[in-house]
This record gives sequence, structure tokens and C-alpha cells, in this order.
Amino acid sequence: AQSVTQLGSHVSVSEGALVLLRCNYSSSVPPYLFWYVQYPNQGLQLLLKYTSAATLVKGINGFEAEFKKSETSFHLTKPSAHMSDAAEYFCAVSETGGATNKLIFGTGTLLAVQP
Amino acid sequence: DSGVTQTPKHLITATGQRVTLRCSPRSGDLSVYWYQQSLDQGLQFLIQYYNGEERAKGNILERFSAQQFPDLHSELNLSSLELGDSALYFCASSVEGWAGTDTQYFGPGTRLTVL
Repeated sequence: AQSVTQLGSHVSVSEGALVLLRCNYSSSVPPYLFWYVQYPNQGLQLLLKYTSAATLVKGINGFEAEFKKSETSFHLTKPSAHMSDAAEYFCAVSETGGATNKLIFGTGTLLAVQP
Repeated sequence: DSGVTQTPKHLITATGQRVTLRCSPRSGDLSVYWYQQSLDQGLQFLIQYYNGEERAKGNILERFSAQQFPDLHSELNLSSLELGDSALYFCASSVEGWAGTDTQYFGPGTRLTVL
């Protein structure tokens, strides 16, 4: 079975500082990985996805993630945090096989941005 | 706006009752997924439909059922409700429903409160 682990349920950064949210995956097959963001009282919005085309994936709002097979990681980064980035971030893996591609989510990381 | 709509936005009901949550997928999407988000369980996959047929089941209780209609909208029925069923229920849709590269687009969710 595939799974993802997000290290750090809460991360706090200052405005303008680097954002680093960690995600490690477990999969016996090449994984398809996703990062979603959830703003308060809203649904999940796709930030970016890894589909094996390129190891460095650029997403919306200045976020990017690098797939590292040797480290089984897919960490999310942004060079300079903005107040509007405060939200909860979820890493997910698509559990393929059979006729489904259901998402298996990590426990989420709540990002706080301090002025 | 993802293009996925869910109604109602909020639902407050009593234990033992039955409720129906409705989801309309994005135009052109054939697959619908239901996920439950709660504080203790996190984001969990419940069930997936593709073009009217059940495709995959996750941790869905026997008291819960779902269906996808010919116009592709889906309903999630929750019966004999318990306090622990209080959660945010998300619907997502995608084009194919089986490829790992397929992106799932999420609706805004229905917040269910069982008193």
C-alpha cells in the first residue's frame, strides 16, 4: 500500500522567509504525488503534481517541489513567504492499480506566516 | 472556483437521522470521489464512481451509501447518524478516474454537524 508522511503538523515562518514543508512517500511502484492547499473554510486546491515528467515541479503561487527518489521525498518550497500563504497544506499520493486512482493524504501541515 | 459544486454547505442534524449530500462534478468529468475530513481521522477516501458505476471503496461505513446518476451528479447518503460522523465531506471529480496523472478537483465541502 502507498502512503505519505508529513513531518511537522505546524510550521511558522516570517513573512519573506523560505517556506519548507516536508513530505515523504512510501510506494513499491513509481508514485504520482500531489500537493494541495486548504484555506480556512474552503475546499482543497491543487498546488502542483509530480507525474514523472520532471523531478522539479513548479506550481501555482510561486510554490515548487522536488521529487527525490533516493530520499523518497517530495518537499514543498517557496523562496519567500507571503501572509496569504497561511493555510493548511496536504501531500497526497495517488493509489493506482485496478481501476482507481484514489488519493491517500498525509496528515497535513498548518503554515503560519508571521509579519 | 474548481467547478465542482456541493450542497448544502452546512447541515445540522440529530443522532439517528439520515441526510443526503449532493455533488455536481466539473463539466466533462466522469469520475466522482467522496472524502471525509475529521480531526481524528484526517482526510480519508470513502468511495469513487465512474460514469455511474462504483469504482472503488475505502473506509466507508455500512451506514453510508452513494450513487452516481445518469447526469453524473452524485449523492452520498448517511444514515443512523452518530456524533462521530460530524465532519467535512468533500466531493472531487476527474476526467478519467484511473490514471495516476489524473487531477482531482475538489468542491467546497459540506460541513455536517450531528448533535
